[in-house]
Amino acid sequence: NAGVMQNPRHLVRRRGQEARLRCSPMKGHSHVYWYRQLPEEGLKFMVYLQKENIIDESGMPKERFSAEFPKEGPSILRIQQVVRGDSAAYFCASSPLESESYEQYFGPGTRLTVT
Amino acid sequence: AQSVAQPEDQVNVAEGNPLTVKCTYSVSGNPYLFWYVQYPNRGLQFLLKYITGDNLVKGSYGFEAEFNKSQTSFHLKKPSALVSDSALYFCAVKREAAGNKLTFGGGTRVLVKP
Repeated sequence: NAGVMQNPRHLVRRRGQEARLRCSPMKGHSHVYWYRQLPEEGLKFMVYLQKENIIDESGMPKERFSAEFPKEGPSILRIQQVVRGDSAAYFCASSPLESESYEQYFGPGTRLTVT
Repeated sequence: AQSVAQPEDQVNVAEGNPLTVKCTYSVSGNPYLFWYVQYPNRGLQFLLKYITGDNLVKGSYGFEAEFNKSQTSFHLKKPSALVSDSALYFCAVKREAAGNKLTFGGGTRVLVKP
């Protein structure tokens, strides 16, 4: 059973460009979470999605950031008009059910560098 | 609101000695507590969790953690550390019936010296 997959693993963008980060959850998992990790810091929650639904986006910046999890295909985290402060590691996690007692399984992350 | 504190940025321990990584939490209601480990340039790996029941929880790679409700703590322990345990450790909390987002502590770097 393959784990959570994220691509690309590394992404370099110039200021003002768009970044698209992809996440394929573990097989059988229908809940996806995105977290951001700034250098030498812990992970901060961004958004929680189920198929075709955003459940909790309380951690998403109000502008430039969006997320989706379509019926078919991976979850996408999209950052428009990137700025240097967006440089971070972005981690996706998945879980099988809505139960809060389930742990989340994390992907290897996408390291975004904005030049 | 919920929060997690890991008071030590780094813990140094000699191989074979006991290892403790501290975590305290603040949450209204019943907490669900988790420990994860992160190796360089990797994602987080789940170690163990406390949901309910026995306060002593055993997890992967010989780690265990003790839930202490009165002290709002969930310290991670290993009786005999290995050099390969050197990594970044994160404590995280969810609040029962309050959604699925995890709140993480700032992390503790563990260095096990041979």
